[in-house]
Amino acid sequence: GESVGLHLPTLSVQEGDNSIINCAYSNSASDYFIWYKQESGKGPQFIIDIRSNMDKRQGQRVTVLLNKTVKHLSLQIAATQPGDSAVYFCAENAAGNKLTFGGGTRVLVKP
Amino acid sequence: DAGVIQSPRHEVTEMGQEVTLRCKPISGHDYLFWYRQTMMRGLELLIYFNNNVPIDDSGMPEDRFSAKMPNASFSTLKIQPSEPRDSAVYFCASRQRELSEQYFGPGTRLTVT
Repeated sequence: GESVGLHLPTLSVQEGDNSIINCAYSNSASDYFIWYKQESGKGPQFIIDIRSNMDKRQGQRVTVLLNKTVKHLSLQIAATQPGDSAVYFCAENAAGNKLTFGGGTRVLVKP
Repeated sequence: DAGVIQSPRHEVTEMGQEVTLRCKPISGHDYLFWYRQTMMRGLELLIYFNNNVPIDDSGMPEDRFSAKMPNASFSTLKIQPSEPRDSAVYFCASRQRELSEQYFGPGTRLTVT
C-alpha cells in the first residue's frame, strides 16, 4: 500500500500575534520537558525547558506552561515574527536520559 | 563553542555499501545521542552514551547498525550493509548532565539508492 508520512498539524498565525502550541505527553513519571524549534534543513534547536516541579517558565518571548494533572505542555510565543516559522517539537524525559519527542507542529507566520 | 559537529552533511550511497557517520559533541558534555528522523516515524532515538559508554541501544533498528564512542570528543554511527529504507536524516546530540539541555548537530542526510 501507499506509505503515508506524518501529518503535521499546522498553526497559521499573523505576524505580531501571539502563538500557542500545545503538546500532550504520555508518561506521568516524566520529570523534565523541552521545546525545540526545527527549521527546514537544520537540526532541532533548544528553545526552553521546564522541570516537573514547576508549572511555568519564561524565556525571551517564550513561555512554557506545564499542567501535570492533564499531562499537557504548551509553548507560547509572544509577538510572533517571520523567523518563528518552523516545526516545533515537545520532548519529555521519562526514563533515564531518554527524550521522547512528539510529532511536531508546523507554525506558519503570515506577514 | 562550535556546537555539535557532524560529517558528512550529505551522503549518497548504493545499497549494500558501508556508511559511516561522524559526530563531535560539545566539549564537556557527558552524554551523546544518535537520532534518526524520517517523515514516517519522526525523530527516533537510536542509542546514547554516557562518558563514552553505550547505555541504551534499544532503538538501534537491527544488527546492521553499530555505534562507537572511542573518546569523549568523537562518535561514529555505522550502517553495514546499507539499505534504501535507511534513508533518513541522522542527528547527533549532546548534553552536559542529566536533566539538562540537549543540543543537536546539523544532521547528516543519508540517501541509499
